[in-house]
Amino acid sequence: AQSVTQPDIHITVSEGASLELRCNYSYGATPYLFWYVQSPGQGLQLLLKYFSGDTLVQGIKGFEAEFKRSQSSFNLRKPSVHWSDAAEYFCAVGAYNTDKLIFGTGTRLQVFP
Amino acid sequence: GAVVSQHPSRVICKSGTSVKIECRSLDFQATTMFWYRQFPKQSLMLMATSNEGSKATYEQGVEKDKFLINHASLTLSTLTVTSAHPEDSSFYICSVPHQTYNEQFFGPGTRLTVL
Repeated sequence: AQSVTQPDIHITVSEGASLELRCNYSYGATPYLFWYVQSPGQGLQLLLKYFSGDTLVQGIKGFEAEFKRSQSSFNLRKPSVHWSDAAEYFCAVGAYNTDKLIFGTGTRLQVFP
Repeated sequence: GAVVSQHPSRVICKSGTSVKIECRSLDFQATTMFWYRQFPKQSLMLMATSNEGSKATYEQGVEKDKFLINHASLTLSTLTVTSAHPEDSSFYICSVPHQTYNEQFFGPGTRLTVL
């Protein structure tokens, strides 16, 4: 079955600390992998995506993610978190860039000053 | 990036009434749009794929007679929740693929509350 798992429902970090959000997927074919951020009152915004090539991908807002095929993982990282990064983060998988998506359950990030 | 709007942003209705939600791509056209449903503190679940000029494709378990989808033009898809009940209360989100940008853009969502 196709699925995306985000093990951490809620993460709290101090501003300036590093961050890693976990994502594991199960997909029959070679997947397109995505990370989105959802802020209140705004639509989901694409942070980064991966299909092939360098397994470390850079995204917007200083985020990066690493694809590990052996672990079926696509974890999101940021070296230094800012208070404005507080939001809900979703990992998703699809068959291609503009395909319908299967989302994980999301991780809510809270940032303390 | 491209802009996708949804209207209304929130709606409260009585049980048994029908509610129409619009999804518009403001500066690009799309033959396909996706409708998702998000319960509080849960993930987005795909409900259906809206196809311009043809019938929508519904995901397993989604009642097509309850959630009517019409893709009236290349910039507009509507989701009508017919005879709404409290269990239909949710956050409905559309996404629109943009072929040139090779990604899809999401609307801000519509919060439906059925009393």
